[in-house]
Amino acid sequence: ETGVTQSPTHLIKTRGQQVTLRCSSQSGHNTVSWYQQALGQGPQFIFQYYREEENGRGNFPPRFSGLQFPNYSSELNVNALELDDSALYLCASSLDQGRGNTIYFGEGSWLTVV
Amino acid sequence: DQQVKQNSPSLSVQEGRISILNCDYTNSMFDYFLWYKKYPAEGPTFLISISSIKDKNEDGRFTVFLNKSAKHLSLHIVPSQPGDSAVYFCAASAKRGGGADGLTFGKGTHLIIQP
Repeated sequence: ETGVTQSPTHLIKTRGQQVTLRCSSQSGHNTVSWYQQALGQGPQFIFQYYREEENGRGNFPPRFSGLQFPNYSSELNVNALELDDSALYLCASSLDQGRGNTIYFGEGSWLTVV
Repeated sequence: DQQVKQNSPSLSVQEGRISILNCDYTNSMFDYFLWYKKYPAEGPTFLISISSIKDKNEDGRFTVFLNKSAKHLSLHIVPSQPGDSAVYFCAASAKRGGGADGLTFGKGTHLIIQP
């Protein structure tokens, strides 16, 4: 049990729609990052939030956006959904941008785009 | 361009024997390495990590070895147990602090422990 909780666990959306995924970080952690894991692949870094600011981003288009709230919980928003967005979305929390610290993952949100 | 490679998609080991999972990386800026274990329908669970200033880190049945000159690390599990059957991911982060660039993962190795 990592203390990182994500919702919803599963959802199905139609191409072109928008989706919001939510994450509560482990108590005391001020950094949240999001990853996309497609079938048969390792997780890929989407972006990271540290103290409510985005401070790092992977190779994902602007239609992937996020927020971090004062209690360090976070949202991932994806606009104009495409079929290739179907994946497991993982939230990870850590302390102080994860500099040499352990990064803990939630159980993920499975998104299917049809 | 895969910066972290796990070249064995699967590995089968007999219960009680040693499991060795390998990982290679290409980015010389990586300075912190982690191993995660993942069961189906669950998120990755942290196992063990190693900083580039060390060449070995041990935690119970798990030992990670780092060979910086070869850009290679390995995870040893001794003795292997049935509950170790899972997908294992190698991950790395860069000198810039790791966090801001996130972790770079390999594609994973599916470890199967045979009774």
